[in-house]
Amino acid sequence: SAVISQKPSRDICQRGTSLTIQCQVDSQVTMMFWYRQQPGQSLTLIATANQGSEATYESGFVIDKFPISRPNLTFSTLTVSNMSPEDSSIYLCSVDDTMNTEAFFGQGTRLTVV
Amino acid sequence: DAKTTQPPSMDCAEGRAANLPCNHSTISGNEYVYWYRQIHSQGPQYIIHGLKNNETNEMASLIITEDRKSSTLILPHATLRDTAVYYCIVRVVNFGTGNQFYFGTGTSLTVIP
Repeated sequence: SAVISQKPSRDICQRGTSLTIQCQVDSQVTMMFWYRQQPGQSLTLIATANQGSEATYESGFVIDKFPISRPNLTFSTLTVSNMSPEDSSIYLCSVDDTMNTEAFFGQGTRLTVV
Repeated sequence: DAKTTQPPSMDCAEGRAANLPCNHSTISGNEYVYWYRQIHSQGPQYIIHGLKNNETNEMASLIITEDRKSSTLILPHATLRDTAVYYCIVRVVNFGTGNQFYFGTGTSLTVIP
């Protein structure tokens, strides 16, 4: 299994600012995934981050708004840029260990934009 | 887009079996069915997965129909701690971009004392 740590666990931010969310995994993984969960909603995949290459974004998500870094096999960041209240959500990091055929999720970062 | 359909909510009496249905009529031959649950304010937790055979582990059983167009997650003896949102997910395999999970709306299960 993989243990995922996300920082911060929650934050309240002013509109127009940016927040960078960190995701640390206790083992090396090939793929890391970022999800958004809006209030009362299900999870939506934002992008897939592979070490050494640019992230692949899902429809409706763009790099300028959600830049992602993946500097090594155990770490990734997601930045929520130029925030508005509509960005208030829980952002979750996930890793897919293909050897275990299972996805592991962090506890999420609860973001409130005021 | 989500490829599964689930009832929005269900109740189950404590100690009884909880049977959660899921429709995935457009599933492809190499796509797996996964079940996760999310307890309030926590990240999703893996429960079980399967391709075409029925599966059982310490948490639950997964029954997949022969045509693979639907499945049922069975929690054999539901407890209050099983109250959560249960997600049925079809796993899309994309070589090179990883194995993405596309979550549906899920079923909110309430276990009643």
